[in-house]
Amino acid sequence: DARVTQTPRDKVTEMGQEVTMRCQPILGHNTVFWYRQTMMQGLELLAYFRNRAPLDDSGMPKDRFSAEMPDATLATLKIQPSEPRDSAVYFCASALSGSGETQYFGPGTRLLVL
Amino acid sequence: AQKVTQAQTEISVVEKEDVTLDCVYETRDTTYYLFWYKQPPSGELVFLIRRNSFDEQNEISGRYSWNFQKSTSSFNFTITASQVVDSAVYFCALCLFSGGYNKLIFGAGTRLAVHP
Repeated sequence: DARVTQTPRDKVTEMGQEVTMRCQPILGHNTVFWYRQTMMQGLELLAYFRNRAPLDDSGMPKDRFSAEMPDATLATLKIQPSEPRDSAVYFCASALSGSGETQYFGPGTRLLVL
Repeated sequence: AQKVTQAQTEISVVEKEDVTLDCVYETRDTTYYLFWYKQPPSGELVFLIRRNSFDEQNEISGRYSWNFQKSTSSFNFTITASQVVDSAVYFCALCLFSGGYNKLIFGAGTRLAVHP
C-alpha cells in the first residue's frame, strides 16, 4: 500500500530554532507539494516541485522558509528561524504528473513553536 | 476568481441518517477537476474522488455518492446511512491548470459529526 510518509509527526520547538520537515513521496510520483493547514487560513499551498525542480513557491515566506528536493525520494521543508505564527500542520502530497492528477497526502507534521 | 465554497461549516446527524455536503465552485476555465478529501480526527487527508469538468455523470461508491452539476457549479457529496466512522472534516477542492501546472484550491471544509 503506497503512501506518502512524513517525519517528524509532531515537533515542539522554541522560537528562533531551526525546524526541518521531511517527506518521502510515493515511489514513482514526480510531483511534490507542501501545504500548511491552520484554523484561520485553512489549507494553503506553500511550494510545488516537479521532477525535483521548484515550480512555484509563491505561497512560502521567503525570508525564513526554504524547500528542496535533494533526490526523487526526499523533499524537505525548512524554517529558520521559526516563529510562533508558524505553528500549524504541514502536509506533503505527491502526484504523478498529468492532467488534474490526484494528490495523495502524507499524515502531516504538527508543529508547535513556543 | 477561482474559489470553492462549502457553506456548511458543521453538520450533526444521528447514525443511519443520510447527509449531503454542499460544494459550489467558481472558475472561468472550461477544463478543470473537482475533488473530495476526507480528514478524520487522526488528521490525514484521504482522497475520495476526482471528477473532470467534461464528465457530469453522477458517481456512487458504496454509501457515498456525488452529484456534479455544471449548470449550478456544484459538486455535492451524499453519504447514505451515515455511520460514526464517517465523522470527519470533508474538503471539496478545485484543480486548475495555472501557469502550466495543476493547483488545488480547497474549500474551508465541512465538519460532519455522526452520533450513535
